[in-house]
This record gives sequence, C-alpha cells and structure tokens, in this order.
Amino acid sequence: DSGVTQTPKHLITATGQRVTLRCSPRSGDLSVYWYQQSLDQGLQFLIQYYNGEERAKGNILERFSAQQFPDLHSELNLSSLELGDSALYFCASSSRPGQVSGNTIYFGEGSWLTVV
Amino acid sequence: SQQGEEDPQALSIQEGENATMNCSYKTSINNLQWYRQNSGRGLVHLILIRSNEREKHSGRLRVTLDTSKKSSSLLITASRAADTASYFCATVGLGTDKLIFGTGTRLQVFP
Repeated sequence: DSGVTQTPKHLITATGQRVTLRCSPRSGDLSVYWYQQSLDQGLQFLIQYYNGEERAKGNILERFSAQQFPDLHSELNLSSLELGDSALYFCASSSRPGQVSGNTIYFGEGSWLTVV
Repeated sequence: SQQGEEDPQALSIQEGENATMNCSYKTSINNLQWYRQNSGRGLVHLILIRSNEREKHSGRLRVTLDTSKKSSSLLITASRAADTASYFCATVGLGTDKLIFGTGTRLQVFP
C-alpha cells in the first residue's frame, strides 16, 4: 500500500459525459501528479501540483482540468469524454516538488475509466 | 510524448534465469528511474541512478547507465515467478523536474 488513495477504482460512462477522479496523497506529501496510461499511448504525464499551485504541465487535453485543494487532495476533471479517453488514470505524490533530486514518487492503484 | 523506448517489448524466461531490459532515451537527463507495475496496478519505484553514476545495485537488481549512448539497462538476477510484471524506465530531463516514462517491458517468469 503506497498510501496514495484514488477513487473511484472503476468508472464506466458514456461519450460526452464529465467525470471527476479524486486523489488523496500520502500523509505529508505536498506534490501531486496525474498520469494517464492507455494501450496506445503508454504512460503519459498530465499535470503536477505542488502545495496547491500548478507546477508542471504535460500532455493534458483542454477538456481535462485538475486542481489541488488546501487539504492537498486533488481532483482530475475529464469532460466531453471520448472513446479514446478510456484509460487507467494514476495519481502519484511525493514530499518535494520536483524530480531533479530523485525523490521517490508513490503511485496510487489508479482509476479505470471506460467510455462507451 | 515519451522519452524512453524499452527493449524488448516482452520477455519470457524461466525461474532462476537472469532478465535484462534496456531503455534508450532522447535528451540529456538528470536522473533515470526504474519502476515496476503488476498487471493493472500502481507503479512501484525500484531504483534511481543519477547522470553521474554508471552502475547501481539493489538486492537482485542491477542498473547501468551510459549517458554517452543515452541508454540504461536493468538486470534482474535469479528471477522468480513473482517478478512477472511490466518494467518501466523514467527519466528526468535537464532543466525539468518532470518524470517521463518509457514504453515498458513486459516480463513473464515461468516457474
């Protein structure tokens, strides 16, 4: 158990809908990352927050948005869903803001999203 | 976009054999990390090697890094069925602090 909690574990929804994925980082971790893992695109970095502020942005679509709240939990909002958005969405957390120092990031078990 | 390409894409071996996975990347890095993922589960950090290091060991794991060739290898010695998983390299580029993952190698260890 990494200490990172993601909900829901599984979600099936229709095209055009909107969903929210939730992440609680490890106790004390200030940095939260979101990744998308799909069969054709592999593991893609989406976005990172540190202590409530956006720190780095990756291949995140405009239909997607995220935020980190004062209690450090984070949400990833996916809207106007398309079939191609079906994927496993991971949240990860670390104690320090970046990866230059190589601090370990801890991954949750992921949220499986199926768009039908 | 992904930084790393891993080779082979899939590897099947018998218990007790060694497994070697290779990772090539495109840009200069600060460090390179290896992760393991059991089917459909979260990723687990295995080992980190910095750009000024050439080799690192952790238990049955041995990682090498050749920055001139922009490549790394992960060796798992005396493999076990429980090592069956996907293995990913991930890099942190110079001037960034994002962790970018490679394509992964699926390892199957048969008892």
